Amino acid sequence: DGGITQSPKYLFRKEGQNVTLSCEQNLNHDAMYWYRQDPGQGLRLIYYSQIVNDFQKGDIAEGYSVSREKKESFPLTVTSAQKNPTAFYLCASKRDGQGPYEQYFGPGTRLTVT
Amino acid sequence: AQSVTQLDSQVPVFEEAPVELRCNYSSSVSVYLFWYVQYPNQGLQLLLKYLSGSTLVKGINGFEAEFNKSQTSFHLRKPSVHISDTAEYFCAVSLFSSGSARQLTFGSGTQLTVLP
Repeated sequence: DGGITQSPKYLFRKEGQNVTLSCEQNLNHDAMYWYRQDPGQGLRLIYYSQIVNDFQKGDIAEGYSVSREKKESFPLTVTSAQKNPTAFYLCASKRDGQGPYEQYFGPGTRLTVT
Repeated sequence: AQSVTQLDSQVPVFEEAPVELRCNYSSSVSVYLFWYVQYPNQGLQLLLKYLSGSTLVKGINGFEAEFNKSQTSFHLRKPSVHISDTAEYFCAVSLFSSGSARQLTFGSGTQLTVLP
C-alpha cells in the first residue's frame, strides 16, 4: 500500500535540544509539505518542497529547517531557536507542485518539549 | 491572497440528524476547494474536492458539498450522521492559477460531535 509514514508518533525532548521528525512517502509524489497544528488554529505551513534538492519557507519557518535529498524523504528539524515547539506536526505530499491535486497526509508526530 | 473561514468551531448534533458545516472563502481568482476530516491523533483524510463542473460534489462516507460562487461558500452536508462521524473537519482552498506548490490554505476547523 502506498502512503506516508511519520515517525515517531510521540516524541519528547528537553528544551534546548534539536529534534528531527521523519517523513517518508512511497507515492512517487514530487511535492512534500510540513504543517504545524495547534488547537483551534488549523494547519500552518512550515516548509514545502516541489522537487529534490529544493525547498521554500512557508508561513512559520523560523526555528525549523528541512532537507530534500531524496524524492521520498523530507525530514524536519525543530531547532532550539523555535520558541514554542510543542505541537502536532503533519507531513503531506502531492503528485506535483503545480496541479490541482489533493495533498495526502501522514499520521502525524506529536512533539512535546519540556 | 486567499483565506478560509469556518464559521463554527464546534457543532454538536444528535445521531441520525442532518448536519451542515459552513465554509466561506475569499479570493480574487478562481479556486479549487477541499474538505478534509481528521480523527483524533491522526492525519487528515480527503472527504471531497471541487475542481470544476457540477457544483454539487459527493464524497466519501455519505458527505456532500455545494460550491456557491456568488456567496463564495463551500458548505459540507450529511443527511444523517453517525457516532463514527465525530471528528474535526477542515475546509481548504487552492488558487486556480497559482504556479506555486504552496497552494493549500486551511480553515481553522470545525469539531463535529455526534451525540447518542
